[in-house]
Amino acid sequence: KNQVEQSPQSLIILEGKNCTLQCNYTVSPFSNLRWYKQDTGRGPVSLTIMTFSENTKSNGRYTATLDADTKQSSLHITASQLSDSASYICVVTNNYGQNFVFGPGTRLSVLP
Amino acid sequence: GAGVSQSPSNKVTEKGKDVELRCDPISGHTALYWYRQSLGQGLEFLIYFQGNSAPDKSGLPSDRFSAERTGGSVSTLTIQRTQQEDSAVYLCASSLVSGGRGYNEQFFGPGTRLTVL
Repeated sequence: KNQVEQSPQSLIILEGKNCTLQCNYTVSPFSNLRWYKQDTGRGPVSLTIMTFSENTKSNGRYTATLDADTKQSSLHITASQLSDSASYICVVTNNYGQNFVFGPGTRLSVLP
Repeated sequence: GAGVSQSPSNKVTEKGKDVELRCDPISGHTALYWYRQSLGQGLEFLIYFQGNSAPDKSGLPSDRFSAERTGGSVSTLTIQRTQQEDSAVYLCASSLVSGGRGYNEQFFGPGTRLTVL
């Protein structure tokens, strides 16, 4: 069964600290994995996309990693800011390109 | 041009009434998706349109839900005889292409928050 799990469910950190969010998937065959950021009351916005051959990809203070062997991905946020408070959603696409499997998201709260 | 737009942004209705939610995708995007997001939950796929192909309706929760896409652009999601459990945010997304090895970023609208009293 195609599934995407994320942990933790929620996270609270202080401004300036780093954090890492986890994503495990069983989607097969694998095409790509995206991390989305969803601000409260808004639609998700793509942060990074990674294909099978990519291990690491950065977008500013966001760095995503992918281990296709263990089917795990992480999103590392460096020097967090208040504006990082949002839900972060991991989405895995199967090899047919039209089957998107969404994880439940991690709710991050950055406190001053 | 502009991003994906949805209307209304908020809709409050009484149980048993019908509602229509509208989505205007990004111009030129051939794929359009509808999702439902209940409070604190992940996105739930509802329906997918790609070009002139028959839509993938596999995610629609009941026959009270239907959607159409006219002229390959604007889409309307209709919920008939609304129930309280239909209360959620309904998100629409579009992408440039779909099918094959997808590198297809979905661009999401802001959603319509539906409240059924």
